[in-house]
Amino acid sequence: DVKVTQSSRYLVKRTGEKVFLECVQDMDHENMFWYRQDPGLGLRLIYFSYDVKMKEKGDIPEGYSVSREKKERFSLILESASTNQTSMYLCASSSPSTSGTYEQYFGPGTRLTVT
Amino acid sequence: GDSVTQMEGPVTLSEEAFLTINCTYTATGYPSLFWYVQYPGEGLQLLLKATKADDKGSNKGFEATYRKETTSFHLEKGSVQVSDSAVYFCALSGPEYGNKLVFGAGTILRVKS
Repeated sequence: DVKVTQSSRYLVKRTGEKVFLECVQDMDHENMFWYRQDPGLGLRLIYFSYDVKMKEKGDIPEGYSVSREKKERFSLILESASTNQTSMYLCASSSPSTSGTYEQYFGPGTRLTVT
Repeated sequence: GDSVTQMEGPVTLSEEAFLTINCTYTATGYPSLFWYVQYPGEGLQLLLKATKADDKGSNKGFEATYRKETTSFHLEKGSVQVSDSAVYFCALSGPEYGNKLVFGAGTILRVKS
């Protein structure tokens, strides 16, 4: 089974801190994604990566950056945390299945609170 | 642009009731369609998928059929349980989307005993 792990389930940080959210997948997937999930807004894509050292902006990249130095690891960085970044953060990975589809496999999420 | 529309929730049912959660999509190509489920406090899990017209995906008693003529992928279950209480997301994907997922807004399902 594919396993996607995230470094923390719950995190509390102060405004202005630099925050690192780590995601690791164990299935050699090429693609990795970071989303945030907020009530009433659904899932929104922050950044994604198709390969090591490659990154692409999603729908809401402002205030975030990412790093992918190794294939299995994709980090989300909040350069200077703000209260409006309080949210649930979900990491996912994907590769083509035997049927050619690109279903994504999600980690358990990190609930970040910025005070 | 391409999008996925789900029925608004919350949907509240009694145990053993029949479930339908509607999902329609707009797409320029021929996407694959998915249903994901998110149990409280957890990430999303793939529930079922369908890759072409008239395909039926099924898992854990849930079913959905890819209807190209009505651009729909409605989720159904004959008899829900309390443990099915979760948020359900319809989504589409394919090479024309850079293999990203386009999600619906999600539908909350609450099942009462």
